Amino acid sequence: EPEVTQTPSHQVTQMGQEVILRCVPISNHLYFYWYRQILGQKVEFLVSFYNNEISEKSEIFDDQFSVERPDGSNFTLKIRSTKLEDSAMYFCATLGPETQYFGPGTRLLVL
Amino acid sequence: GDSVTQMEGPVTLSEEAFLTINCTYTATGYPSLFWYVQYPGEGLQLLLKATKADDKGSNKGFEATYRKETTSFHLEKGSVQVSDSAVYFCALSRGANSKLTFGKGITLSVRP
Repeated sequence: EPEVTQTPSHQVTQMGQEVILRCVPISNHLYFYWYRQILGQKVEFLVSFYNNEISEKSEIFDDQFSVERPDGSNFTLKIRSTKLEDSAMYFCATLGPETQYFGPGTRLLVL
Repeated sequence: GDSVTQMEGPVTLSEEAFLTINCTYTATGYPSLFWYVQYPGEGLQLLLKATKADDKGSNKGFEATYRKETTSFHLEKGSVQVSDSAVYFCALSRGANSKLTFGKGITLSVRP
């Protein structure tokens, strides 16, 4: 069964550094999403992406965040200058016929 | 705005016990409701869903009924197994390609 994959599984970075989280969506899926879950809190929507454009974004998704599909396969989330409060599990998802399919997540720790 | 509230966890049960995990939502109109499950080291997977009032979603022995009058979508299973140990998330969505709004998730541990 096809699945969404994410790399890396874990990343540790220093505050102020840029990070790029990568996702490989299921092929022929057209809508992509990023969510995050801060430890002990709810899974929160960040952004949705369709046809190479952001279709919706949350208040969390400020100018420090960006998304792109650089090569037609990967879907990336970039955080330009990480803050301590960006430490979280980041999930990528793609939309299939029944629901959104999620990757296993990237655990980001900002020190 | 939309929100989902799940009962506090974690929950620990013995094998073959009855399971109820409560979920209530706040939303206008008629959102679709979902239960997702996350096994260790894996992504969230759809467990079941319901798209309109009084619909019952079911899968792998789990059931949940969309109750508009109580704005609830409680998850039940008559006899849990050790393999059901996972984190369970309740969620809602307003449309086919819309974002999901999640609850906090609850960890279920089933002991032999």
